[in-house]
Formats: sequence, C-alpha cells, structure tokens
Amino acid sequence: GAGVSQSPSNKVTEKGKDVELRCDPISGHTALYWYRQRLGQGLEFLIYFQGNSAPDKSGLPSDRFSAERTGESVSTLTIQRTQQEDSAVYLCASRLDMDNEQFFGPGTRLTVL
Amino acid sequence: QKEVEQNSGPLSVPEGAIASLNCTYSDRGSQSFFWYRQYSGKSPELIMSIYSNGDKEDGRFTAQLNKASQYVSLLIRDSQPSDSATYLCAGPNGAGSYQLTFGKGTKLSVIP
Repeated sequence: GAGVSQSPSNKVTEKGKDVELRCDPISGHTALYWYRQRLGQGLEFLIYFQGNSAPDKSGLPSDRFSAERTGESVSTLTIQRTQQEDSAVYLCASRLDMDNEQFFGPGTRLTVL
Repeated sequence: QKEVEQNSGPLSVPEGAIASLNCTYSDRGSQSFFWYRQYSGKSPELIMSIYSNGDKEDGRFTAQLNKASQYVSLLIRDSQPSDSATYLCAGPNGAGSYQLTFGKGTKLSVIP
C-alpha cells in the first residue's frame, strides 16, 4: 500500500510568517511522530500521537510549534512566526499499533529567509 | 532520555568488503532495535529490525544484538557503492516505550 506522504515537499517562507506542514500516515497506523532534522544533524523528536490519547508534546522546542491530528489520520504541524533557525527538514513517521517499527515520509524541507 | 551512541564516521570500505557499523545503548531494558539507512537528501528507510539476542540475516545485511554488552551492530557483506549512506541505529526510549531514540548516524562510503 501507499507509504507515509507529506506535503509540501519544499516550503520557502519569510521570517515571521506562519507555515503549516501536512502528514498522511500509512492507512491503519495508529501512531504518528514528527521529527526535525537540521542539515547534517540527527533526528530531533518533536511530538507523538497515539490513537485518541493525549499527544506527547515534550519535544516541541517552543510555543510557536503546535500539531494536531484528526483521529488516526492526517496530522498538521504548524510553526508560527517562523525564525531562520526553524529551517530544517520536517519528517513524519507512522507506526502500526503493537509494533515499534516506524516508517518515514519523504519530509518537508522548510527554508526560512 | 535513553541514549543510543554511534561513531559518526565517516567509515570508508572498498567495494566488496564487509562494512561493520556499531551502536551502543544505555537502557538495559530495551528489547528491540532498528537500523535505518538515509541517503543524502532523503528520509530514513527502515532496513533491519532485531528483537532478540543474536544475529538476524536479511540478504547482505546482518544485524547483531548483544543485550549483555548493550551493543547492536549491522554488517553489510559484499558492500556496494549504492550502500554509501548514513546509517541510523534506533532503540526504544525506555522499556515499553513506543518512542524511538535515534543515534546520530554513521556515514558509510563504499569506494569502487
């Protein structure tokens, strides 16, 4: 079946603008994760959704970052008042319940000018 | 926060050789580990999962888990230039956790 999809693939924005990134997980996957990867760096956990449970927001770097998920489907990551240090690839991953394997989408490359 | 440590490399091996990638972890209770391959400019791709002590083979790849030593490795036999990528090791962020802690990755270059 289809893998994790993300949109847009690339986003260029001006400092101070808000951006919204979208993730469609693999159908049937109950868990969804957002990560950030700066150029040449490792993966940085942002937020985790599991079914209808309250999300784990412990990785969000500031209150400018927020995310929502509708049931067990689409998730959106919103960054308000973007800063240049927000420039990175934002990766979404999903996981089938009772399994620990995470499958990544292609990512959204965000550039803040 | 549980830790997963990898040598960042770069690790260079000649084509046809065995590449050995290593990872250590801090949480003795962790039961499962994963190896991801990440080509430059691409997202991580899951290539191996290992859930029990010992070896697991899949084609040219062998994952090894040694819980007593808290050590995970990935062997790539008959390395090909197409194996050149960054390899990420990941393990649970605590026993029973569904969050993964990722190592920073080891960059592998296979020289033709």
